[in-house]
Amino acid sequence: KNEVEQSPQNLTAQEGEFITINCSYSVGISALHWLQQHPGGGIVSLFMLSSGKKKHGRLIATINIQEKHSSLHITASHPRDSAVYICAVPWSGGGADGLTFGKGTHLIIQP
Amino acid sequence: GAGVSQSPSNKVTEKGKDVELRCDPISGHTALYWYRQSLGQGLEFLIYFQGNSAPDKSGLPSDRFSAERTGGSVSTLTIQRTQQEDSAVYLCASSLLRGEQYFGPGTRLTVT
Repeated sequence: KNEVEQSPQNLTAQEGEFITINCSYSVGISALHWLQQHPGGGIVSLFMLSSGKKKHGRLIATINIQEKHSSLHITASHPRDSAVYICAVPWSGGGADGLTFGKGTHLIIQP
Repeated sequence: GAGVSQSPSNKVTEKGKDVELRCDPISGHTALYWYRQSLGQGLEFLIYFQGNSAPDKSGLPSDRFSAERTGGSVSTLTIQRTQQEDSAVYLCASSLLRGEQYFGPGTRLTVT
């Protein structure tokens, strides 16, 4: 089973700051997922990536397959970015698998 | 188009009773996943269906848990003889093969 470590567990920042959340995993994978969950809300997929870098608006995700590490960055952070961010990888490393999840990073952006 | 739907949204049951939770995946998605989210354990994988292949049941916590997927579409997760530790939010997700997963809103199960 793949093991996923996320850091930090909790992060409080001021509006406008650049945010970085890190994720490492133990078994080689075909793709990594970044998910977002607002308080009391559902889970939304932000990125699924297998190499390099992806960008959606102010969110950027990078992955280094050799080092088994990924980062999620938020530029010009805003209070509406306050949520739990979760890194997830396939359970056994393959692509067509259920996911195993990190414990999440609880992000609070203060105005 | 419609997203993943789950029913009921909330379920309260007495310890020892059986419960059935339903998931309607996005039309055309061949893969369907069940997860649960609890305060103590975070998000956990339960079971995975892909097309007509045998499901991957490696995440099911005990033999009280089972799931079916009929006609490659709707899925039902059944928990027999519920225990208090089964209290959690049960989430369903669907995807195309090896694609991005789309999550449903979940069923909050409370066992009293």
